[in-house]
Amino acid sequence: DAGVTQSPTHLIKTRGQHVTLRCSPISGHKSVSWYQQVLGQGPQFIFQYYEKEERGRGNFPDRFSARQFPNYSSELNVNALLLGDSALYLCASSLRALDGDEQFFGPGTRLTVL
Amino acid sequence: QKEVEQNSGPLSVPEGAIASLNCTYSDRGSQSFFWYRQYSGKSPELIMSIYSNGDKEDGRFTAQLNKASQYVSLLIRDSQPSDSATYLCAVKRGSARQLTFGSGTQLTVLP
Repeated sequence: DAGVTQSPTHLIKTRGQHVTLRCSPISGHKSVSWYQQVLGQGPQFIFQYYEKEERGRGNFPDRFSARQFPNYSSELNVNALLLGDSALYLCASSLRALDGDEQFFGPGTRLTVL
Repeated sequence: QKEVEQNSGPLSVPEGAIASLNCTYSDRGSQSFFWYRQYSGKSPELIMSIYSNGDKEDGRFTAQLNKASQYVSLLIRDSQPSDSATYLCAVKRGSARQLTFGSGTQLTVLP
């Protein structure tokens, strides 16, 4: 079975632009979480969606938004890009959104903001 | 106090030795704990999950959990150069039960 897929793999944008990142979860998984990882740090939680509803949001500004579609795929949108948004954006898929559910990461999208 | 703390390393061990990675967490209500391995330039890969006090073994990997001490560890037996990576400890917490990560421990296994 295919794992978590993300697109695009790499992206270069300039300050002030907008970006959309996409994620498809493992087949049968209904929850998607987004994380941001900057160099030298562990991933930081941005959003979690389960059954198309937002279940949680991390400490990120309103420039960050996301949604989950009926097929459980998800998009992360970032408006008015800043240099500090340069990072690896990770999507993680889990069966549900319960405590014991393991999360599996996709390959990530590396965003560079110039 | 950070929510999840790991020894930043780097940690170097010779091939065939046991590598010991440690992690402490601050939220006593946490019930689920995970170890991920991340190779340079790649995404995190789940190695182990542990939910109950004690040891959990999977091949060369053993996770240990002590909720009273708020401590999680990962032992890698018979370390191989291919184990060289950053190891991330993660704890589920918060209303969404999201993963909260430590900053990782960089492990190098010397041939």
